[in-house]
Amino acid sequence: KAGVTQTPRYLIKTRGQQVTLSCSPISGHRSVSWYQQTPGQGLQFLFEYFSETQRNKGNFPGRFSGRQFSNSRSEMNVSTLELGDSALYLCASSPPDSYNEQFFGPGTRLTVL
Amino acid sequence: GESVGLHLPTLSVQEGDNSIINCAYSNSASDYFIWYKQESGKGPQFIIDIRSNMDKRQGQRVTVLLNKTVKHLSLQIAATQPGDSAVYFCAEGETSGSRLTFGEGTQLTVNP
Repeated sequence: KAGVTQTPRYLIKTRGQQVTLSCSPISGHRSVSWYQQTPGQGLQFLFEYFSETQRNKGNFPGRFSGRQFSNSRSEMNVSTLELGDSALYLCASSPPDSYNEQFFGPGTRLTVL
Repeated sequence: GESVGLHLPTLSVQEGDNSIINCAYSNSASDYFIWYKQESGKGPQFIIDIRSNMDKRQGQRVTVLLNKTVKHLSLQIAATQPGDSAVYFCAEGETSGSRLTFGEGTQLTVNP
């Protein structure tokens, strides 16, 4: 079974721009979670989607948003980028019978200049 | 807010030795705990998990111990190999939810 895939793997943006990251979960997984990883804050939960609905949300500003499509693929969007948004953005998917088991993709490395 | 933390940021061991990585958690409602391994340039990789109704679980070369009394979690790696060098994270969650709270990570270095 193919793992979680994320595109693009690397991205460079400037302050004020917006960015969209994509995540394709493992086949059959319907829950997709997003995390931000930085050296200073570690891994922090952004939000989780299940059946196209946001089911859980972390403590991030409204500039961070996401959505999920009918095929369970998910996108996250960050608007009005700030320097502090530079991070590794990780997507994880969970099987339908075990929402706690999260399988991570390789991440998208976002650099904001 | 409540969080999961690690006692040591780095751990260096000799190849063949056993490694022990520790983790403290503070959310009493957490009933599910996971250890992840993250190698450079990759996403976290699931190692082993344990639910709060257990105090020990073993996998291949790895053992997780859970002490709910002191809210402590540990990962033991037997016969540590150079390929075990990575950052190890503990994470906590609730079986009723899907959100994980991660610790800060421990860098394990295995010396040949």
